[in-house]
Amino acid sequence: DAKTTQPNSMESNEEEPVHLPCNHSTISGTDYIHWYRQLPSQGPEYVIHGLTSNVNNRMASLAIAEDRKSSTLILHRATLRDAAVYYCIRGDYNFNKFYFGSGTKLNVKP
Amino acid sequence: DAGITQSPRHKVTETGTPVTLRCHQTENHRYMYWYRQDPGHGLRLIHYSYGVKDTDKGEVSDGYSVSRSKTEDFLLTLESATSSQTSVYFCAISEAGYEQYFGPGTRLTVT
Repeated sequence: DAKTTQPNSMESNEEEPVHLPCNHSTISGTDYIHWYRQLPSQGPEYVIHGLTSNVNNRMASLAIAEDRKSSTLILHRATLRDAAVYYCIRGDYNFNKFYFGSGTKLNVKP
Repeated sequence: DAGITQSPRHKVTETGTPVTLRCHQTENHRYMYWYRQDPGHGLRLIHYSYGVKDTDKGEVSDGYSVSRSKTEDFLLTLESATSSQTSVYFCAISEAGYEQYFGPGTRLTVT
C-alpha cells in the first residue's frame, strides 16, 4: 500500500524557519495528511493535519500541493525542543488508520 | 495528556511463549490501535478496533491477535513469540476525529 516518502534527515538553525517535505503521490481523494513527531523513547505526538487546504495551528503550518501529491510542514521558528523525528502520515478515511513513512530526523543547531 | 497507559512497559520473554500486552484508556474513545516500531522505521499498524468486540487486521497482523471486551481495554497477544517480534509496541486511541493519542510504548525482547 502507498506510504509517504520523506528525506531521512534535515538540519536547521535555531530561530529559523524549517520546511519539511513529504511526497504522497498515490494518496486517495479521501485520505488525510497528518504530521506527528516523536522524541526519543516516547510515543508520537500530534502536530497538524489537513485534507486539501493549507492549515495553521500554534505549532506549525501545513502546505498541501494543489494536486495533493506532496505537502510541506513548516515550523516558523525552530527551537531546540523541536529536534525530533517528524512523520508524514497517510490517514485512511476508513477507521482513521495511519500509514507511516520512515520519517525525517530534524536536528536543530543553536 | 490523554489518559492512555500500556503494561508492561518492558518485557523479556523466550521464543515460543505466549505474551499479552495491555492498553488501557480513560478517555472513552471509540478507536484503538496497536502499532509496532522497529529501529530506524516508522510505526506499522498491527490491528485496530472500532468498538467493543469489533477488530480488524492492519499491515503486519501475522502472528498477532487482539481482543477488546471493554471500551477501555485493548489487548495484543503474541500466541507464540518469535525473535522477529522483538520491537517497541505502541497503543493509540482516537475518537471520531482525526487525532490519535499514543501511549508510552512497551519494549518487548524475545530471546
